[in-house]
Amino acid sequence: EVQLVESGGGLVQPGGSLRLSCAASGFTFSTYWMNWVRQAPGKGLEWVAIIKQDGSEKYYVDSLRGRFTISRDNAKNSLYLQMNSLRPEDTAVYYCAGGPGFLIDQWGQGTLVTVSS
Amino acid sequence: DIVLTQSPDSLAVSLGERATINCRSSQSLLSNSNKKNFLAWYRQKPGQPPKLLVSWASARESGVPDRFSGSESGTDFTLTISSLQAEDVAVYYCQQYYSAPLTFGPGTKVGIK
Repeated sequence: EVQLVESGGGLVQPGGSLRLSCAASGFTFSTYWMNWVRQAPGKGLEWVAIIKQDGSEKYYVDSLRGRFTISRDNAKNSLYLQMNSLRPEDTAVYYCAGGPGFLIDQWGQGTLVTVSS
Repeated sequence: DIVLTQSPDSLAVSLGERATINCRSSQSLLSNSNKKNFLAWYRQKPGQPPKLLVSWASARESGVPDRFSGSESGTDFTLTISSLQAEDVAVYYCQQYYSAPLTFGPGTKVGIK
């Protein structure tokens, strides 16, 4: 069974940093493009970033490039999102999600990030 | 960036009746290589992550009930639920995976009349 389990969310002050992790199991992680997708409370889905199987290509939504960094460790079957200079508008559930290409066919349950003083 | 618009924003349908959701792309999602549209449909129930229903605009995923179908016409796409069931109450999103940045439509909320 495919499992994606996010961790690292929580309450952080504006301007702070947070690193999200996603542990993958039940499939060959190194063959999947992996994404972070977020959803602000009561809002729609917003794609954040994607990383290629070997980490050689990364793409970001324009509005977040420079503050967020996606990375992966295939030896640990793990995906990461480093988030810096956090703002209240970054408050959202962050989903780890992936697929064999740009198509997303697997999702985690999400981890909540709250940016507030 | 590719912009997806969805209509309607919400709809209420009687149990057993048809629900139709539309998605329009700001540019072609058609691949020259495989002649398929890079368009997916997801269902998100309250408190749950999205679930992939349809890929390549019209290919239903394994295990998805056959009451769900996707269709395409140029840059216009449609998700049809032929006979609405109570468990279909959710928000439905289209998403393009043709190019980065990947983008989602704003969502359509489906309820019971």
